[in-house]
Amino acid sequence: EAQVTQNPRYLITVTGKKLTVTCSQNMNHEYMSWYRQDPGLGLRQIYYSMNVEVTDKGDVPEGYKVSRKEKRNFPLILESPSPNQTSLYFCASSPIPPRTGSNSPLHFGNGTRLTVT
Amino acid sequence: AQSVAQPEDQVNVAEGNPLTVKCTYSVSGNPYLFWYVQYPNRGLQFLLKYITGDNLVKGSYGFEAEFNKSQTSFHLKKPSALVSDSALYFCAVREAGGSYIPTFGRGTSLIVHP
Repeated sequence: EAQVTQNPRYLITVTGKKLTVTCSQNMNHEYMSWYRQDPGLGLRQIYYSMNVEVTDKGDVPEGYKVSRKEKRNFPLILESPSPNQTSLYFCASSPIPPRTGSNSPLHFGNGTRLTVT
Repeated sequence: AQSVAQPEDQVNVAEGNPLTVKCTYSVSGNPYLFWYVQYPNRGLQFLLKYITGDNLVKGSYGFEAEFNKSQTSFHLKKPSALVSDSALYFCAVREAGGSYIPTFGRGTSLIVHP
């Protein structure tokens, strides 16, 4: 089954304790992205990657890191989490031109609810 | 620059009545437009898209959307709402030939009352 898998689904941690949220897709997609979803703010992009070893900042990258060493994986790293990073996080992927054109929708994972105390 | 506006935070409708969730967009060139739905504790799921051609686009679960270039709108519609349609709906836009990165609206919560 084609899917984007995030782990863990729920995570409670303390300020300053490094954590990693994993994201894996089995569709051979080039494009992957991380979003955070907060009430009243909708979806905000954190980082994205157009292909292996190619990453770039989104709208709210501060406090986050990513890596793209393999095409299927795109982990989100919080080196020193703070309470303002408490949020619902989504990973998404899609193919990109020229293989399929730029009109492909995003495929989303089921989310990771992070609480930082 | 591209942008999307969903002017309503919440839409309430009675079961069996038609529903409309509004979306307006701004791009420099031609738009690619998308609707996604998010059910509780789930990620966003693709509903439908407009790329080119017929202005009325049909998608999953009986939803459709009408592209209106002069009004720069892409409203989501359904002739008869179901309680199970209650969810959060997101509109998104990409500019054809422009930035590959989509821009999302803030989302509209649809509540269908029995």
